[in-house]
Amino acid sequence: GAGVSQSPSNKVTEKGKDVELRCDPISGHTALYWYRQRLGQGLEFLIYFQGNSAPDKSGLPSDRFSAERTGESVSTLTIQRTQQEDSAVYLCASSLLASGDTQYFGPGTRLTVL
Amino acid sequence: DAKTTQPPSMDCAEGRAANLPCNHSTISGNEYVYWYRQIHSQGPQYIIHGLKNNETNEMASLIITEDRKSSTLILPHATLRDTAVYYCIVKAYSGAGSYQLTFGKGTKLSVIP
Repeated sequence: GAGVSQSPSNKVTEKGKDVELRCDPISGHTALYWYRQRLGQGLEFLIYFQGNSAPDKSGLPSDRFSAERTGESVSTLTIQRTQQEDSAVYLCASSLLASGDTQYFGPGTRLTVL
Repeated sequence: DAKTTQPPSMDCAEGRAANLPCNHSTISGNEYVYWYRQIHSQGPQYIIHGLKNNETNEMASLIITEDRKSSTLILPHATLRDTAVYYCIVKAYSGAGSYQLTFGKGTKLSVIP
């Protein structure tokens, strides 16, 4: 596609529920990143996928957070038993490592946990 | 990754050039300078990046000093749509094991009519 897409754009959920956030990277991009941005704050790195290599999960804040990626395409970020502090914009980015390593971001998913 | 220092805010008159400075005095030889911006409620947008040579694209120019300890992003003819927070980021290639972009506080650029 033309750019990174994410869905849903907005998600409101109740505390304790599970949520799944989806990211469609730019076609052909081998690397995919998830970040979180709380209101008025900078971006926090969550997880990085590169091809078929084991993902770098070092940024995941707790074991309630997990992510998967199918090959070099779609990724889903799952948050189990959501808490109010999980409220944030979740941003996905992709890059083609062989071409400048520039990360291109999607519009984000705004998650609100009531 | 090296830290960067940017002024917290700047104003620029519409139609004039906006020059946004960034200091990165501890930059390593394998680290690139990237510029992104974030318009309110949107995802970060890539602008430009460079290693040691000056770069220009359809959005902006990037001037890197010879010692690489500072750089300037130039928007040649600022418009109201350029109002955003601009982030200067220094990062090595992901192939060197450096994956994440570390966003500081950036410079809030306000373009004034």
